[in-house]
Amino acid sequence: GAGVSQTPSNKVTEKGKYVELRCDPISGHTALYWYRQSLGQGPEFLIYFQGTGAADDSGLPNDRFFAVRPEGSVSTLKIQRTERGDSAVYLCASSLLGASGANVLTFGAGSRLTVL
Amino acid sequence: TQLLEQSPQFLSIQEGENLTVYCNSSSVFSSLQWYRQEPGEGPVLLVTVVTGGEVKKLKRLTFQFGDARKDSSLHITAAQPGDTGLYLCAGGAGANNLFFGTGTRLTVIP
Repeated sequence: GAGVSQTPSNKVTEKGKYVELRCDPISGHTALYWYRQSLGQGPEFLIYFQGTGAADDSGLPNDRFFAVRPEGSVSTLKIQRTERGDSAVYLCASSLLGASGANVLTFGAGSRLTVL
Repeated sequence: TQLLEQSPQFLSIQEGENLTVYCNSSSVFSSLQWYRQEPGEGPVLLVTVVTGGEVKKLKRLTFQFGDARKDSSLHITAAQPGDTGLYLCAGGAGANNLFFGTGTRLTVIP
């Protein structure tokens, strides 16, 4: 597609439930990033994929959070046993890493997760 | 995680005024980017600076990267209501990672 697509745009769930958030990056973009953003704050890094592998998952807050990108394109962020503190907008971004210069990320509109 | 502090956190000004937003860190970055984000949308890239001391201008916006590549500033001249939004700096780190600042919410009052 023309841009980064994230689904669902809104998800309301109950504490303790399992949630999956999907990201469809720009076709051909090799890198994919997940961030979490609380209201009025800057995005907090969670995980970054280079192709199918997680190049850096140091931002995942605990083992309830997991992300996959099995074919190097679509990625799914999975959250187990959700807690109220997980409520946030989850942003996905993709980029085409070049040989030189800075990394330019294109973001999706985000998935707003609300845990009741 | 490299910490990028932005100041001020909130800024409300009248149309036509000038303003400067600062982005500071104790870490050195390979590049520094500025994004603007509007409600319900993802951040959109405004500019990338890669060389210490570099200055870039984008119409009424002027961006500067510090000599030591640890800090940056964004200056807006003659602000307009359309400039309203959340401004984010982001530092490029090893392995192509990107860490965002704490954000500055700008409101320009007509």
